[in-house]
Amino acid sequence: DGGITQSPKYLFRKEGQNVTLSCEQNLNHDAMYWYRQDPGQGLRLIYYSQIVNDFQKGDIAEGYSVSREKKESFPLTVTSAQKNPTAFYLCASTPRGQGVTNYGYTFGSGTRLTVV
Amino acid sequence: AQTVTQSQPEMSVQEAETVTLSCTYDTSENNYYLFWYKQPPSRQMILVIRQEAYKQQNATENRFSVNFQKAAKSFSLKISDSQLGDTAMYFCAFMKHASGTYKYIFGTGTRLKVLA
Repeated sequence: DGGITQSPKYLFRKEGQNVTLSCEQNLNHDAMYWYRQDPGQGLRLIYYSQIVNDFQKGDIAEGYSVSREKKESFPLTVTSAQKNPTAFYLCASTPRGQGVTNYGYTFGSGTRLTVV
Repeated sequence: AQTVTQSQPEMSVQEAETVTLSCTYDTSENNYYLFWYKQPPSRQMILVIRQEAYKQQNATENRFSVNFQKAAKSFSLKISDSQLGDTAMYFCAFMKHASGTYKYIFGTGTRLKVLA
């Protein structure tokens, strides 16, 4: 079955460490996105990529980095510069054109990151 | 800038009853798309229903329907014959096309609990 796989489901990080969250899709979607979810704040866009080797900052990119070396993969690194990284992180993907307006995003099941 | 407001942080409804979740948004654009997503305890985001702004007819999907009032910028979700499985967080989202891609702006969510 096609879908988006995020791993790990739970991740613990010590302060000062970088961690990388994995996002893989087998939907042949062109665009991929990373969102952060905090209680009472909805989902906020961190980074997005429309094509391999290209990505753009979203609304809250500070302290995060991404890469898009393969169409299927869009890993997110939470760096030590991110002041408050504890949150739930969601990855999503979309096809081009009318597919996204007809069907919306396809989301992964998320990664819960906790700083200890 | 566009904003999406969900004024009801929490709601509850008796099983088999009907409940309406409210959503208002602010935009100066004329062509856009609106979505409702459900996030159950598993945290997986599931598309419930979508509406194109240029369509006057309200969208329906089985027990789910919307009341789209474009002039008032209102997009409420009605759930009929509520079921225990409807217990979830519900997010209203505005989709716009910007910088070559489609982006969401999410509301802060309404937590719905269906009571047996």
